[in-house]
Amino acid sequence: QQQVKQSPQSLIVQKGGISIINCAYENTAFDYFPWYQQFPGKGPALLIAIRPDVSEKKEGRFTISFNKSAKQFSLHIMDSQPGDSATYFCAASKTAGKLIFGQGTTLQVKP
Amino acid sequence: EAGVVQSPRYKIIEKKQPVAFWCNPISGHNTLYWYLQNLGQGPELLIRYENEEAVDDSQLPKDRFSAERLKGVDSTLKIQPAELGDSAVYLCASSSINRETGELFFGEGSRLTVL
Repeated sequence: QQQVKQSPQSLIVQKGGISIINCAYENTAFDYFPWYQQFPGKGPALLIAIRPDVSEKKEGRFTISFNKSAKQFSLHIMDSQPGDSATYFCAASKTAGKLIFGQGTTLQVKP
Repeated sequence: EAGVVQSPRYKIIEKKQPVAFWCNPISGHNTLYWYLQNLGQGPELLIRYENEEAVDDSQLPKDRFSAERLKGVDSTLKIQPAELGDSAVYLCASSSINRETGELFFGEGSRLTVL
């Protein structure tokens, strides 16, 4: 019930393309769903987050789509750039609770 | 404003030796976390502090791991004795009491190699 499953494990996209990373969760009590971005040798940093009262949230080129009934959410990176090459982690928690991270997706954007 | 500071960044030790990691959170953040990140995996929570109190240490292997957060600011994580399987990155994070954002601010991590 505590797992967050992320796919794909790795992703290669051409510059300007759309990157899509998916996550599925089990615990219906989760009410906070962030995505973190991690560059090599650095700690993860919050990219964008959503709560289940909305189905989509957009910040610049980054969009979270949330499907409460399917217990799934996804990150879409529009117009992907080489600078977006990093590892992306989805996560989930109950408010003020423990944040559970997915296994991570390594994104490579080719010039 | 300074971010979360961790030291050392890298540590190589022989198995059965002790090791300690230090974390200085963002000023004013009352919640501090220690996460373990194995290669190619997502971070896993070891322990969470609210001020000086450890409110969640259920995933901390207490036979060899210990942590403290004196005066509710800096924290240390200790492993004694270290085992080969402890090789990983130990991440410290902090957050403010503002639960709406829920954002965790991570340090750059301490990479441990046990030989």
